[in-house]
Amino acid sequence: AQSVAQPEDQVNVAEGNPLTVKCTYSVSGNPYLFWYVQYPNRGLQFLLKYITGDNLVKGSYGFEAEFNKSQTSFHLKKPSALVSDSALYFCAVRDQTGANNLFFGTGTRLTVIP
Amino acid sequence: EAGVAQSPRYKIIEKRQSVAFWCNPISGHATLYWYQQILGQGPKLLIQFQNNGVVDDSQLPKDRFSAERLKGVDSTLKIQPAKLEDSAVYLCASSPDGAGEQFFGPGTRLTVL
Repeated sequence: AQSVAQPEDQVNVAEGNPLTVKCTYSVSGNPYLFWYVQYPNRGLQFLLKYITGDNLVKGSYGFEAEFNKSQTSFHLKKPSALVSDSALYFCAVRDQTGANNLFFGTGTRLTVIP
Repeated sequence: EAGVAQSPRYKIIEKRQSVAFWCNPISGHATLYWYQQILGQGPKLLIQFQNNGVVDDSQLPKDRFSAERLKGVDSTLKIQPAKLEDSAVYLCASSPDGAGEQFFGPGTRLTVL
């Protein structure tokens, strides 16, 4: 069975500092991994995905994520945080059986402090 | 390109009442999903449609929840009767196929009193 863990409910970072939001996964076979962001009263917005290829994936708004197979991790990163990055971030893994469904983590609330 | 549309945005009902949510996916997207997001949790898939057929409804509480996508475009999700624990945000998403990125609507926040 597939699952995603986001070990931190809350991450605080000062504006301009690098940020990391952690995600680990469990899946049979090759993982298809995603990051989504959710702003208040809005739906989830796609940030980036890893399907195959380079372990470092670049996405929207300057975010990137590093796939680490040995550590079964897919941490989200950004070199310099903005106050506008404050939001709820979800990691997800895709089920590669027939339905191809997404399984989401519980989310990490990122607060960027001015 | 217009995004996924959902209505209503907010709904407050009393327990044992019925409620329906509507979703209009992105034009041309064959796959449509309904998720339930309880406060403090990640979205949980309720049902997946491919055109007008159900691909996966294993997590749908079928004794009270139903969904349809009759013409392979719009979809409705119904709860009858509602329980207190159904209070959540109901998200609709669509994708061009069943394999790639999903595009989410703004959600409907349901409060059951």
